[in-house]
Parts: sequence; structure tokens; C-alpha cells
Amino acid sequence: AQTVTQSQPEMSVQEAETVTLSCTYDTSESDYYLFWYKQPPSRQMILVIRQEAYKQQNATENRFSVNFQKAAKSFSLKISDSQLGDAAMYFCAYKDNDMRFGAGTRLTVKP
Amino acid sequence: EAQVTQNPRYLITVTGKKLTVTCSQNMNHEYMSWYRQDPGLGLRQIYYSMNVEVTDKGDVPEGYKVSRKEKRNFPLILESPSPNQTSLYFCASSSGQRGTEAFFGQGTRLTVV
Repeated sequence: AQTVTQSQPEMSVQEAETVTLSCTYDTSESDYYLFWYKQPPSRQMILVIRQEAYKQQNATENRFSVNFQKAAKSFSLKISDSQLGDAAMYFCAYKDNDMRFGAGTRLTVKP
Repeated sequence: EAQVTQNPRYLITVTGKKLTVTCSQNMNHEYMSWYRQDPGLGLRQIYYSMNVEVTDKGDVPEGYKVSRKEKRNFPLILESPSPNQTSLYFCASSSGQRGTEAFFGQGTRLTVV
């Protein structure tokens, strides 16, 4: 079965600075998708960004961007100009026919 | 509005008392799944369904049952809940295409005493 690993249980960043959250995955598939979800204290799961495995270009959504290294099976999330509202749990997810999640990284943003 | 609706949002029950957590989606999605979220473990898949009458076990299916009689509904059944099933549960749905995101319900906080 595919596995997703987030090796940073907690991260902290100063407001307006940049932080990178790590994610690695294991699969033998060639056609799959990767996602980052944000979970604020409200518990709602919010899609942050998605990446198609067949695309070499890294996805970007405003202040959020990814560094996708297919050969290394790595999919990190970079948050630029961090804001207080970015504080949340962040989950990395892998999807082919079905979706698997990592253990999550709790991000704290310091004013 | 496109949404996944889970009920109840909070539930406290006693060991052994059967319960059902309902999940309904209005997006005509083929794929639905259940996850439990525990600290340090992330979201672990309990069961999933690729379409009506098609269900399969995820990573942690013991102690749970599901059914998919209609496309929109995917209830999670705990026949005899135990304290180790105390957790935060999420239902999710997505279309059959691989690239589409999963949409999540609001979560159900279950406590078994």
C-alpha cells in the first residue's frame, strides 16, 4: 500500500517569514496526484494545493508553492510571507484510486 | 451548495451500544471514504467505496462496518463500540477521476466510555 510520511510533527515560523513543510511518499504507480490540506482549529479540511505527478512544473497558489521531486518521491510545501491565519495542521495526501494521508505537521505562526 | 454532511458532530456513548454515523454528499461523487484522525497518526482510512454496492477495507477496518446502497450515502456503523474507537471521524467524497480533490464532512468527535 502507498504510504505518506511527514517527518516534522511541529514547525514554527515568524510572521512574514517563509517556512517549508516536508512530505515523502512511497508508490509504484506512475499516475497519481498529490495534495496539501490545511486543518485549522475548526477541524474543517481545506485544500491548499494540488500537483499532478505527470507535470514537472511545480504548482503554485498565491503564497503557497510546492517542490515536487518525482524521482525522490518528495513533495514539500513552501509558505511565503506567513500570516497568523496560516497556523493550522497541514496534511500531505497521495491519491491514485484512493487517498492516503500523512501524520500531519502542526504549524505555529509567531507574531 | 456542494457539500458533504456528517451527523452527528459530537457523540458520547457507552461501550457496546451500537451506533451509526451518517454521511451524505450532494455532488454525485462515485468515491466515498471514512477516516479516523488521532494525534500523531494523521488520517487513517477505515473503509472506502468506489461506487454503489462496492466497498473495501482501508488500513484500520476492525470494529467498523459500512454500506453503500445509494450513491449519496455512506454510513459508518460501530456494532459494539469500544474505548479505543474514541476518535475524530471524517467522511470524504470525490469524483471517480484521480486528479480530483476529496471533499470532507465537518467531522464527528466520538467518545466511547
